[in-house]
Amino acid sequence: QVQLQESGPGLVKPSETLSLTCTVSGGSISSYYWSWIRQPPGKGLEWIGYIYYSGSTNYNPSLKSRVTISVDTSKNQFSLKLSSVTAADTAVYYCARGDYDILTGSYMDVWGKGTTVTVSS
Amino acid sequence: SSELTQDPAVSVALGQTVRITCQGDSLRSYYASWYQQKPGQAPVLVIYGKNNRPSGIPDRFSGSSSGNTASLTITGAQAEDEADYYCNSRDSSGNHLEVFGTGTKVTVL
Repeated sequence: QVQLQESGPGLVKPSETLSLTCTVSGGSISSYYWSWIRQPPGKGLEWIGYIYYSGSTNYNPSLKSRVTISVDTSKNQFSLKLSSVTAADTAVYYCARGDYDILTGSYMDVWGKGTTVTVSS
Repeated sequence: SSELTQDPAVSVALGQTVRITCQGDSLRSYYASWYQQKPGQAPVLVIYGKNNRPSGIPDRFSGSSSGNTASLTITGAQAEDEADYYCNSRDSSGNHLEVFGTGTKVTVL
């Protein structure tokens, strides 16, 4: 079955750019939409943004100025870049597969295990 | 984007029924999906659409919706159902943004 795996540095310095990659295995990235979600310590889930396999994107307005999500269909991967990070960006970052249609609404049915990113000097 | 509001915590006796609610304007237009998250684990989809359960989710989980409120019901709660539950939907802006609810901690007594 489809599995997702996040990868990237666990420690990022303030003001630098956080970069994560999600590798999709057991299925093709060339359908569905692909999301990034984060969870600060002890807090709830926050949607960061998603990308369709075609490359079209949608971002959380509160993060839009700092976020870029891209897809590499040849590698079956999609990536997150978050610039100018501060301690408030410390969180567990998840990637997830999403689907949407008029009959079911949107849902995310496959999630990665998550990766912890700490912003600290 | 719009907000989805959930009660912070509910408790249920073992074997009894608990309903978790999610309120928001966007739910008048879009179905909610529901996720279970246990400590240290990734969220798991338990309900989506009108009342659809992914493969492997027990049938004691069910969903419903009325007006601006979506509900997740656990009928005959088990000890393993103790977890945080989050709702999610597209927001009401028309821009197809996603939004998560504030989360509900379910304690099974």
